[in-house]
Amino acid sequence: GEDVEQSLFLSVREGDSSVINCTYTDSSSTYLYWYKQEPGAGLQLLTYIFSNMDMKQDQRLTVLLNKKDKHLSLRIADTQTGDSAIYFCAEFSGGYQKVTFGTGTKLQVIP
Amino acid sequence: EAGVTQSPTHLIKTRGQQATLRCSPISGHTSVYWYQQALGLGLQFLLWYDEGEERNRGNFPPRFSGRQFPNYSSELNVNALELEDSALYLCASSWSRGLAGADTQYFGPGTRLTVL
Repeated sequence: GEDVEQSLFLSVREGDSSVINCTYTDSSSTYLYWYKQEPGAGLQLLTYIFSNMDMKQDQRLTVLLNKKDKHLSLRIADTQTGDSAIYFCAEFSGGYQKVTFGTGTKLQVIP
Repeated sequence: EAGVTQSPTHLIKTRGQQATLRCSPISGHTSVYWYQQALGLGLQFLLWYDEGEERNRGNFPPRFSGRQFPNYSSELNVNALELEDSALYLCASSWSRGLAGADTQYFGPGTRLTVL
């Protein structure tokens, strides 16, 4: 199967940390991505992680990968109102150059 | 460096008509991907073109087709439009396969297609 699941909604206060979770099923995934979609806009690549890594940090973003449980998370430190958007995780199946997206998590940041 | 561009931004058609959507990849990228984001359905993979050839397609009927030109830009054609084709169509591009990290896809802003 190729289902990628995320919780639909997350609400946090400005300045707190946000953690967005994702579970995937394709164990052959080689790359896992996080994308951000602001209202009415296309997708913006935030970060990605190779499947042989456990963690990747990029400024306020921390990606954690638990390959055994097929669980991916995105932590946003010091969340700002500009972080309000829908966040998609996605897995990449290298052989077919196909990316399967999660359902998206809508992050609401309360001032 | 210019990102992925798509045109038009919005497109309104009626049932049965044909729609043509265009995408220009990032300079140097040879692969172009098309996705459909319909309301409530999330992102669905449509097509992948690389070096002018269709490499893979998702679970969409044959009336969804496209092509890639020698300059690596791409067109998505949707024939015999149906109401449920109304969606945001996203194009993405990447470098060719085989380079570490080069498969990462970068997305354009999308074309919103409305079928009346």
